[in-house]
Amino acid sequence: AQKITQTQPGMFVQEKEAVTLDCTYDTSDQSYGLFWYKQPSSGEMIFLIYQGSYDEQNATEGRYSLNFQKARKSANLVISASQLGDSAMYFCAMREGITGGGNKLTFGTGTQLKVEL
Amino acid sequence: GAVVSQHPSRVICKSGTSVKIECRSLDFQATTMFWYRQFPKQSLMLMATSNEGSKATYEQGVEKDKFLINHASLTLSTLTVTSAHPEDSSFYICSGARQSLSTDTQYFGPGTRLTVL
Repeated sequence: AQKITQTQPGMFVQEKEAVTLDCTYDTSDQSYGLFWYKQPSSGEMIFLIYQGSYDEQNATEGRYSLNFQKARKSANLVISASQLGDSAMYFCAMREGITGGGNKLTFGTGTQLKVEL
Repeated sequence: GAVVSQHPSRVICKSGTSVKIECRSLDFQATTMFWYRQFPKQSLMLMATSNEGSKATYEQGVEKDKFLINHASLTLSTLTVTSAHPEDSSFYICSGARQSLSTDTQYFGPGTRLTVL
């Protein structure tokens, strides 16, 4: 069975600083996908970034990067130059299979990020 | 990106009534749709997976006779909460996935907040 662990229930960061949100995972599969989503107070789930288990380079999307350490089974999200609008709940998720958009996601418990002036 | 809509966004109903929530993929064909439930300050819990034209697959502990799911077309799935009770009050989120071979993420709707009085 797959499991995602997010050990930081809440994080604070000052505006313009970088912040790392931790995520570790457990799976016996060789092929899997890792995702990060942002959920603002409005409730919508916003896709941020994706990393496939065979990708050798860390994924980057604008101010978001994923620090993928396969041997440690970690997939930390790094947000650079934090903005007030980054304040939200962040979820790490894993999907069985590299492809397989129809495969289900397993979510972590989330990290509430608050960006301060 | 792909867009998923949900209707209604909020619903308040009396105990014992049934409520139907619609999930539509607006600009893509969702071969698979997922229904999640989220309690305040908690993670998303997958309720069921539905493929167009076939019966939904429910997660363990989810009553299929209480939470009726219909995936009538590649752009529409509905969740009906039958004989709703206060403990069914929650945030319900749907998502759609494009193709089973895709590396795509799931695309989430904005959610429906159900309050049962």
